[in-house]
Amino acid sequence: LAKTTQPISMDSYEGQEVNITCSHNNIATNDYITWYQQFPSQGPRFIIQGYKTKVTNEVASLFIPADRKSSTLSLPRVSLSDTAVYYCLVGDIPSGGYQKVTFGTGTKLQVIP
Amino acid sequence: GAVVSQHPSRVICKSGTSVKIECRSLDFQATTMFWYRQFPKQSLMLMATSNEGSKATYEQGVEKDKFLINHASLTLSTLTVTSAHPEDSSFYICSALDRVDEKLFFGSGTQLSVL
Repeated sequence: LAKTTQPISMDSYEGQEVNITCSHNNIATNDYITWYQQFPSQGPRFIIQGYKTKVTNEVASLFIPADRKSSTLSLPRVSLSDTAVYYCLVGDIPSGGYQKVTFGTGTKLQVIP
Repeated sequence: GAVVSQHPSRVICKSGTSVKIECRSLDFQATTMFWYRQFPKQSLMLMATSNEGSKATYEQGVEKDKFLINHASLTLSTLTVTSAHPEDSSFYICSALDRVDEKLFFGSGTQLSVL
């Protein structure tokens, strides 16, 4: 069962690039890596998902090394509205394997003016 | 991305009453949905996995008679908190698995306050 480990908190100034790393040493062959953003009193919002190498979309990039034991979410030029908790989730999507994975602590990102 | 609608967003009830929370996948079919609860400043805790047409699978420590889950259609799962007590006050969140898009999407959550 893949377990994730993230830094509990990070601070960044507006306009900076932020990289949040997640460790998942026990990731299984069929597991995908997904990152979510959560604001207070809201459900998690999908940010990006990948299996290996690099994935980029309009809001973030996800870097996954060859051994897949970690992943890094990169947020370019953060703004105050990016202040939130970020979770990485590892699981086997096609078989609904997310039920086998619990959420980690998440990383509380505080963007400073 | 796909949309998961959760209703109501907030509910206040008296102790001893039952509360039903609905979770709908609006533009995809979800054979599998998940229910979580979240206490302030804590992470999400998985309560149960809901599979369409079959009984839900509950995580250890979650009372199945307390938290009734029904997944009667491919787009709707409900969580009923029976005989709610103040300690059941929490933020409840559902998620639905889009097997076509291969992504997990979350509802907006329901804040339950039991007086």
